[in-house]
Amino acid sequence: GENVEQHPSTLSVQEGDSAVIKCTYSDSASNYFPWYKQELGKGPQLIIDIRSNVGEKKDQRIAVTLNKTAKHFSLHITETQPEDSAVYFCAASIRAAGNKLTFGGGTRVLVKP
Amino acid sequence: DVKVTQSSRYLVKRTGEKVFLECVQDMDHENMFWYRQDPGLGLRLIYFSYDVKMKEKGDIPEGYSVSREKKERFSLILESASTNQTSMYLCASSVTRDQYTDTQYFGPGTRLTVL
Repeated sequence: GENVEQHPSTLSVQEGDSAVIKCTYSDSASNYFPWYKQELGKGPQLIIDIRSNVGEKKDQRIAVTLNKTAKHFSLHITETQPEDSAVYFCAASIRAAGNKLTFGGGTRVLVKP
Repeated sequence: DVKVTQSSRYLVKRTGEKVFLECVQDMDHENMFWYRQDPGLGLRLIYFSYDVKMKEKGDIPEGYSVSREKKERFSLILESASTNQTSMYLCASSVTRDQYTDTQYFGPGTRLTVL
């Protein structure tokens, strides 16, 4: 089955700096790659996703890149703010296997004011 | 707004007890999921369901069962709780559109402690 590795497990950045989280996946058939943000005491919430027919997607301060050849994708947060502090999860999905996501281990991001 | 609710935020049970975790979604979603979340392991899929009375095993189904009698409700059952089932349990729901997986919406989670 699919395996998703996520790095780093923790990330501490100064407010205003950029943060980058990287994920690799094992199954080349995966075609959907969402990123979720989990704030303290809440369930994960989708913040951005990318499908295999595009290489990059941006939404304000958040961007995701996908390299299908290398089977890795990354989340970039620019101009970080304290409210970006949370746990972030990447995931991958194979449509043929149904609506099933395989998640990475998570990255705890701390933005220091 | 999609809303996924879970019956309890915190639950403490004793070893050997039968435990029911309930999840309800209000958006008429076909798909519902149960995950457990443990530090460093991310979210691991226990069971999922594509339709009423339908269920499929996820990656870690041992020790768990599920029930989906109505479209909006998906229950996770621990037949005989054990200490290694102490964890955060998350429920999610989604629709299936075209050829792509659609967004999964998560509930707030139930933190279960088995003593």
